[in-house]
Amino acid sequence: DVKVTQSSRYLVKRTGEKVFLECVQDMDHENMFWYRQDPGLGLRLIYFSYDVKMKEKGDIPEGYSVSREKKERFSLILESASTNQTSMYLCASSPLAGETDTQYFGPGTRLTVL
Amino acid sequence: GENVEQHPSTLSVQEGDSAVIKCTYSDSASNYFPWYKQELGKRPQLIIDIRSNVGEKKDQRIAVTLNKTAKHFSLHITETQPEDSAVYFCAAPNDYKLSFGAGTTVTVRA
Repeated sequence: DVKVTQSSRYLVKRTGEKVFLECVQDMDHENMFWYRQDPGLGLRLIYFSYDVKMKEKGDIPEGYSVSREKKERFSLILESASTNQTSMYLCASSPLAGETDTQYFGPGTRLTVL
Repeated sequence: GENVEQHPSTLSVQEGDSAVIKCTYSDSASNYFPWYKQELGKRPQLIIDIRSNVGEKKDQRIAVTLNKTAKHFSLHITETQPEDSAVYFCAAPNDYKLSFGAGTTVTVRA
């Protein structure tokens, strides 16, 4: 059974702070994704990675960066948090690079930026 | 990239009735169409998917149909139950990523 975990369920930060959201998967998946979920907008892709140290921008990368130093871990970084980054952040993983397949999601981190 | 439109945005049905959600996509080369269910406070989970070599797939009370000519696919839930209340997302391939629809909030009235 695939398990995707995220470091925090709820997080409150102040404007201008640097924020780290971490995601870990235990199924040796090659692909990992970070999404942002807002009401009425669905799941919007921020960044994804298909291999260690590889990353590609998604649809809304502005204000975010990512890091993948190990295969099982994918971090989302908000360099200087802003109030418009208040949202639910979902991490996901899927098995094989270069293939479209089922994505397995983490429980989400609800981030509030004050 | 792929553009996925999902309708309706909200759907209220009487328990026992059927629910239908429709999605359209833009890339005629797309070949994989999953549906995810997200219950309140929980993570999205795959409930059914279909690949382009078939026109319909069923799993108990849920089914997905695909019309490649019209570039749309639909989720059908029959004999709805309270536990079907959730947000449902469709998706279509975008390179080897997924583009998601905006979601449909389904409420099953007792």
